[in-house]
Amino acid sequence: DGGITQSPKYLFRKEGQNVTLSCEQNLNHDAMYWYRQDPGQGLRLIYYSQIVNDFQKGDIAEGYSVSREKKESFPLTVTSAQKNPTAFYLCASRPSGGADEQFFGPGTRLTVL
Amino acid sequence: LAKTTQPISMDSYEGQEVNITCSHNNIATNDYITWYQQFPSQGPRFIIQGYKTKVTNEVASLFIPADRKSSTLSLPRVSLSDTAVYYCLVGGRDSSYKLIFGSGTRLLVRP
Repeated sequence: DGGITQSPKYLFRKEGQNVTLSCEQNLNHDAMYWYRQDPGQGLRLIYYSQIVNDFQKGDIAEGYSVSREKKESFPLTVTSAQKNPTAFYLCASRPSGGADEQFFGPGTRLTVL
Repeated sequence: LAKTTQPISMDSYEGQEVNITCSHNNIATNDYITWYQQFPSQGPRFIIQGYKTKVTNEVASLFIPADRKSSTLSLPRVSLSDTAVYYCLVGGRDSSYKLIFGSGTRLLVRP
């Protein structure tokens, strides 16, 4: 089955620790995205990548980092510099160009203890 | 990037038609209009997309007036399972690797 996988589904972190969220897609999509969603709120864009080895900051990139070494993978690291990281994190992918829709993963819920 | 404005919430009853309107006054010539549905603790799911006039698929219709400054998602005969948050996005071929979600409309369908 083609799709996007995120792991883990639930993640707990102690304050001051970095943590990496995994996102993998086998849809052969060029563009990938990371969003953050707080309870009762909409999605906010953290980072996006149009092609391998290239990525751009979204609206709330501070305290986060990403890499795009492979087309199918776009991991997100939540660093200790992120002051309030407890949230639901969603990864998405999309074909390059065009107006095709984004395909979303199931999400990772991160809780900082 | 075109900013979108939607009602925060809407209530309906099972079997009714629901229309959710999105304003996008600064829509660009190349922009498409896309609607997503999101259930709690899940990723959004694509519902429908259009450029102008009317688009219909098996779950919804999308009405876009000639000036394209707004759009209306129409859900026919809603059921309880349609209770979700609905997002309107505007973007397209040239502008929208950076896709921005608005706050969405929280639809509650009552029995």
